[in-house]
Amino acid sequence: GQQLNQSPQSMFIQEGEDVSMNCTSSSIFNTWLWYKQDPGEGPVLLIALYKAGELTSNGRLTAQFGITRKDSFLNISASIPSDVGIYFCAGQDGTGANSKLTFGKGITLSVRP
Amino acid sequence: DSGVTQTPKHLITATGQRVTLRCSPRSGDLSVYWYQQSLDQGLQFLIQYYNGEERAKGNILERFSAQQFPDLHSELNLSSLELGDSALYFCASSPRAVADTQYFGPGTRLTVL
Repeated sequence: GQQLNQSPQSMFIQEGEDVSMNCTSSSIFNTWLWYKQDPGEGPVLLIALYKAGELTSNGRLTAQFGITRKDSFLNISASIPSDVGIYFCAGQDGTGANSKLTFGKGITLSVRP
Repeated sequence: DSGVTQTPKHLITATGQRVTLRCSPRSGDLSVYWYQQSLDQGLQFLIQYYNGEERAKGNILERFSAQQFPDLHSELNLSSLELGDSALYFCASSPRAVADTQYFGPGTRLTVL
């Protein structure tokens, strides 16, 4: 089945730094989504991207839908302690009854004060 | 708050038992999705219902079943429980049948002893 690759598994940054995360696949997707999950909580939708090349911001977060439709990146600027969590990318492929979301395994972000 | 509600928050039961997890989607959303999240497997799609009908199936075991009721709430039934079924179970909802932008509930943590 489809696979989304997120690496590294963990990232450690200093408060105030910017961080960028990539999500890649060998398959094309119609929609890219970025979620953040805190321990024991449900994933929270951060940004949704619907068109190749689209660049969308949500506060300090910026994400882009890759031109090839096989990748996406998320950038967090001026990180703060509450940015700590697991960041998942998800891609939607297929149409109609065949469409589904595939999730990456997530990147755990730690922010040192 | 995503607007998706799930009950119960925690569930502890024994092997061989049966449990029912409940989900209410966001107001106006017609699709409900169920996911299982365990430490080593990430988010695994189980099943989707749209407007009362099964729409898509993922890696759902035969011991598991779901349904969506006329008021659009959904239930996930897990039977003959095994230790390996211990996980977080999330429900998500979206407005359309196409599995794109999904909003997640807070999850139910199932522990099988």
